[in-house]
Amino acid sequence: KAGVTQTPRYLIKTRGQQVTLSCSPISGHRSVSWYQQTPGQGLQFLFEYFSETQRNKGNFPGRFSGRQFSNSRSEMNVSTLELGDSALYLCASSPGPSSSGNTIYFGEGSWLTVV
Amino acid sequence: AQTVTQSQPEMSVQEAETVTLSCTYDTSESDYYLFWYKQPPSRQMILVIRQEAYKQQNATENRFSVNFQKAAKSFSLKISDSQLGDAAMYFCAYRSAGLASGTYKYIFGTGTRLKVLA
Repeated sequence: KAGVTQTPRYLIKTRGQQVTLSCSPISGHRSVSWYQQTPGQGLQFLFEYFSETQRNKGNFPGRFSGRQFSNSRSEMNVSTLELGDSALYLCASSPGPSSSGNTIYFGEGSWLTVV
Repeated sequence: AQTVTQSQPEMSVQEAETVTLSCTYDTSESDYYLFWYKQPPSRQMILVIRQEAYKQQNATENRFSVNFQKAAKSFSLKISDSQLGDAAMYFCAYRSAGLASGTYKYIFGTGTRLKVLA
């Protein structure tokens, strides 16, 4: 069974640009969540999607947005990039946000550098 | 709001020895899940072990075990017979069961970097 796939793995953008990151969950998983990891702030929750609906959102500005498609693939977009957006963006999938405590499985991440 | 605290930024252990990583959390909920994730240099987060709050028995996965103290809100990870491949960043994570809060998001600690000395 293929794992969580994130593309692109590495990218460099200029301040003010926008970026779109993609995440394909494990087959059969319907929940996708996104995290930002930086040396200073650690792992911070961005948002979670289930069945194309955003269920939870972290404390990030509106420049950070996401969506989920009918095949459960998800994209996150960051507009008007700032230097501080440089980070590793991790996507994770799980079967669904049930009360069974579904474990989330992470992808390898997308390294974003803003210059 | 829930919080997760890992007070040890870095730990070292001799190969074949035992090490314990600490984690404390704060929550007003009674039903939740706790996890330890490992992040090696490749940066891919790997699940090490999970614990359901309603279970009194401590979870064990081969050389990895936890000491779950619900009343004290403590969730430490013990690694026995440490191996060089155990060197990584370890994150403690909390996940609400969602029944009261309606949210299932994960909250992670700041991590503990584990070095294994040959």
